[in-house]
Amino acid sequence: GQNIDQPTEMTATEGAIVQINCTYQTSGFNGLFWYQQHAGEAPTFLSYNVLDGLEEKGRFSSFLSRSKGYSYLLLKELQMKDSASYLCAGGETPLVFGKGTRLSVIA
Amino acid sequence: GAVVSQHPSRVICKSGTSVKIECRSLDFQATTMFWYRQFPKQSLMLMATSNEGSKATYEQGVEKDKFLINHASLTLSTLTVTSAHPEDSSFYICSARGTAAVGGYTFGSGTRLTVV
Repeated sequence: GQNIDQPTEMTATEGAIVQINCTYQTSGFNGLFWYQQHAGEAPTFLSYNVLDGLEEKGRFSSFLSRSKGYSYLLLKELQMKDSASYLCAGGETPLVFGKGTRLSVIA
Repeated sequence: GAVVSQHPSRVICKSGTSVKIECRSLDFQATTMFWYRQFPKQSLMLMATSNEGSKATYEQGVEKDKFLINHASLTLSTLTVTSAHPEDSSFYICSARGTAAVGGYTFGSGTRLTVV
């Protein structure tokens, strides 16, 4: 079966750091994706991990452990505009999406 | 970078009518196009996968006669919602897979369909 789990909601303070976790069980694996989606808009690509380890890209970092079926997205120096849903996706073609984590950044 | 142009962005139609949504890949060839549907506060649910020049593969529970998909060229795929009903109101998003996209996938901007 295909299953991707992530927390439903998270709240964090502006300027802080937040980690969004994702666990996956998929029949195949071609990489783990993270997308950001603002309400009413299409997802935008944030990161892609295919090998174990940390990928850093500015304020956003993503980590993957294939043996544990685990990934996280790390957001640093949170800004109000980071309030959005963050989707974890993986598996083979086509991608399987998690239900998304709604992040609220508060002042 | 790879871009997928999706139109229309918003459409309101009467119950019983049909609506066509287009997705065009710009500057790259989309060998495969995925069509997703997303209800409010829900995840993206795959509806169907289409490869250029062949019939689409529909996910379980998706009516192929209601959601017509055409992928006639490497740059254009269309989804037609036939005889739309209010329960078809949703956010429809295409995603193209081609060699130019990072990690292999590029999303269109989405179409908000409201059936009244």
